[in-house]
Amino acid sequence: AQSVTQPDIHITVSEGASLELRCNYSYGATPYLFWYVQSPGQGLQLLLKYFSGDTLVQGIKGFEAEFKRSQSSFNLRKPSVHWSDAAEYFCAVGARQAGTALIFGKGTTLSVSS
Amino acid sequence: NAGVTQTPKFQVLKTGQSMTLQCAQDMNHNSMYWYRQDPGMGLRLIYYSASEGTTDKGEVPNGYNVSRLNKREFSLRLESAAPSQTSVYFCASHLSGESYEQYFGPGTRLTVT
Repeated sequence: AQSVTQPDIHITVSEGASLELRCNYSYGATPYLFWYVQSPGQGLQLLLKYFSGDTLVQGIKGFEAEFKRSQSSFNLRKPSVHWSDAAEYFCAVGARQAGTALIFGKGTTLSVSS
Repeated sequence: NAGVTQTPKFQVLKTGQSMTLQCAQDMNHNSMYWYRQDPGMGLRLIYYSASEGTTDKGEVPNGYNVSRLNKREFSLRLESAAPSQTSVYFCASHLSGESYEQYFGPGTRLTVT
């Protein structure tokens, strides 16, 4: 079955510390991979995406993610977290086929402590 | 270019009432989607429309109907609202082809009492 697992429901990181959010997927073929961020009461904003090529992708707000095919993972990282990064983060996978929906993980809530 | 718009932003219904959530996109996208978001559940697909004139069920379609009115608009209807349909509803769209990025609307927060 196709699925996305975000093992950490809630993470707290000190401001200025590094961050890694985990994402593992189960998919029948090589998927497209995404990370979205949602601030409280807001919609979803795309942070970054992986389609092909370089397995380390850069996104907005200083985020990056690395696709590891052997581990079926697509972990999100940031070297230095800012208080404004506090939000909920969703990993998603999609098929390389028109008209198929994304499958989302259940999300990881990031809190940033001062 | 407004992207994906949704109306209304907030709605309170009583059990048994009906309503339609509206979604429109101005990006000439082929495919449109309706998701619901519940705490701890992520986003789950309700219905989608791969192209104008087609609709298909997603993971949680029960209690909902959809209409792809034209290429721009994709509406979600609750015929007889139930408390279990209290949720935040997101519409999304994307253009078929190399870029599979989905663009999301701002959401509709629905409460059914």
